[in-house]
Amino acid sequence: GAGVSQTPSNKVTEKGKYVELRCDPISGHTALYWYRQSLGQGPEFLIYFQGTGAADDSGLPNDRFFAVRPEGSVSTLKIQRTERGDSAVYLCASSLQGVNSPLHFGNGTRLTVT
Amino acid sequence: AQSVAQPEDQVNVAEGNPLTVKCTYSVSGNPYLFWYVQYPNRGLQFLLKYITGDNLVKGSYGFEAEFNKSQTSFHLKKPSALVSDSALYFCAVWNDYKLSFGAGTTVTVRA
Repeated sequence: GAGVSQTPSNKVTEKGKYVELRCDPISGHTALYWYRQSLGQGPEFLIYFQGTGAADDSGLPNDRFFAVRPEGSVSTLKIQRTERGDSAVYLCASSLQGVNSPLHFGNGTRLTVT
Repeated sequence: AQSVAQPEDQVNVAEGNPLTVKCTYSVSGNPYLFWYVQYPNRGLQFLLKYITGDNLVKGSYGFEAEFNKSQTSFHLKKPSALVSDSALYFCAVWNDYKLSFGAGTTVTVRA
């Protein structure tokens, strides 16, 4: 079946611009996660949705980062006034609820801020 | 907070030899531990998990992991490595509805 889909796969933007990254989870998965992975590091948690609501946004680095999931399926990660330090691979994952359900990851969006 | 550590940045083995990737954990309460693998330009793929039960957990692609409570470890193992096992491996712990990952270990299997 279809896995987690992330678009675009690559995004190059200029410092100060606004970007949106999209995640299409596996159908029926109620939990959705965003992670950020910098070169040579493990994925870093950003935000977790259960259904339409953000259950835990403690990993968002500052108020330039925002994410939505209005209908409980597709999610969009929004970054305002991008900075060079935002350059990373942004990973989305989805799962059924609970520890027994592994997270399924998309291939990520590589964001480069010039 | 729950956390894991991967003490080795890189592991190099010859094809056909045993492969071990180390992970230690620091948690309060019962640990829920995971291993994921990442191939170049791809997302993370789930390998196996320990929730409860047998300390030896078997997973995908011939991998297994041993949960050791006294040593607070959850090492990933494969009896006979393949060149195609060359990838980046992450240990992770379940932490309040989300996974917290280690820094990763790059495995290179030479032919």
